[in-house]
Amino acid sequence: AQSVTQPDIHITVSEGASLELRCNYSYGATPYLFWYVQSPGQGLQLLLKYFSGDTLVQGIKGFEAEFKRSQSSFNLRKPSVHWSDAAEYFCAVGARGYSTLTFGKGTMLLVSP
Amino acid sequence: DAGITQSPRYKITETGRQVTLMCHQTWSHSYMFWYRQDLGHGLRLIYYSAAADITDKGEVPDGYVVSRSKTENFPLTLESATRSQTSVYFCATGQGALSYEQYFGPGTRLTVT
Repeated sequence: AQSVTQPDIHITVSEGASLELRCNYSYGATPYLFWYVQSPGQGLQLLLKYFSGDTLVQGIKGFEAEFKRSQSSFNLRKPSVHWSDAAEYFCAVGARGYSTLTFGKGTMLLVSP
Repeated sequence: DAGITQSPRYKITETGRQVTLMCHQTWSHSYMFWYRQDLGHGLRLIYYSAAADITDKGEVPDGYVVSRSKTENFPLTLESATRSQTSVYFCATGQGALSYEQYFGPGTRLTVT
């Protein structure tokens, strides 16, 4: 079975600074990887996904993530954070042949002025 | 295009009562999912459905019942609500097959007193 670890429960970043949210997964084969964002009181919105191919994937809202097989990681990055990026971010892993996703426990991003 | 809707958005009920949370989609996605979100636990899968009349248990199915007589609807019933079922419930859909990404509804906040 696959699993996901998001080591940081909370992260505070100054507006305009760069951001990196960590995600580590456990799965024997090539995983399908996702990042979702949840604004307060809202459902989850897909930011980006990795299935295969180029290990650097671009998503919406200026986010990108890099799949590193050797480190079992799929970290989310943004070069310059905006106050509207404050939200909770979830990493998720899926696998070929399985219809369900396993989610991490989330990282709450706070943006300071 | 409403996409995916959940009703009610907020519900307060008493211990022991039966309550049904509704999920409706307009996309004709084959897969539908129910999650609960609790602080410190992230998202946990309760039940999912691959098609009408096909359902399967997720990580935390005890105390819940689902049915799917029509592709577009996937109600979740708490047969005898307990305080531990106080949570935010999210419905999601997925196209299945080659598409593993999921699309989330706005959620239902359920309080059991």
